[in-house]
Amino acid sequence: DAGVIQSPRHEVTEMGQEVTLRCKPISGHNSLFWYRQTMMRGLELLIYFNNNVPIDDSGMPEDRFSAKMPNASFSTLKIQPSEPRDSAVYFCASSLTGQGAGNTIYFGEGSWLTVV
Amino acid sequence: AQSVTQLDSQVPVFEEAPVELRCNYSSSVSVYLFWYVQYPNQGLQLLLKYLSGSTLVKGINGFEAEFNKSQTSFHLRKPSVHISDTAEYFCAVSPMNRDDKIIFGKGTRLHILP
Repeated sequence: DAGVIQSPRHEVTEMGQEVTLRCKPISGHNSLFWYRQTMMRGLELLIYFNNNVPIDDSGMPEDRFSAKMPNASFSTLKIQPSEPRDSAVYFCASSLTGQGAGNTIYFGEGSWLTVV
Repeated sequence: AQSVTQLDSQVPVFEEAPVELRCNYSSSVSVYLFWYVQYPNQGLQLLLKYLSGSTLVKGINGFEAEFNKSQTSFHLRKPSVHISDTAEYFCAVSPMNRDDKIIFGKGTRLHILP
């Protein structure tokens, strides 16, 4: 079975450039999540979609970050303009339905972003 | 509101020795409890979870955890660790409501010493 697929796996970009991270959730999963992981802040939930609709975007750090889910099999996380403090590992994850209620969350392998 | 505390940020242990990774949680309502593992350069994956029933939960790779409601703990144990267990381990608290946020601990790095 294919898991959560993320691209690119690694990205190095210059400050001020636009960064787009892509995600394909597990087929049949109705919920999709974007997380960010850093040494300083640990694992942070950025945004949670259910049935392609954003349910909780309270974790999106600022207006430079945006996420879309145009259909059940694709999502993007965009940073424009990027800054060095955005350097982190960004995980996409999916679940059958929701993040609570005992659902198992399946993580992708991450997109390692470095902004110089 | 829920919270989860992993008291140990790093745990060194010799190969083939037993290990316990501690997790305590706080919640005013019933919750579900999880352990996830993150191997180097990978995403998190489910190790085991407690939903209901027997308080001793067995997971993958020989790990088990015991739910203790009175002590609000969900410690993870393995009787004999292997070098391949080198990873970061995250305890998590999941609320009953589907849309409410799952709360992850800060993680415990398990270092296996030869």
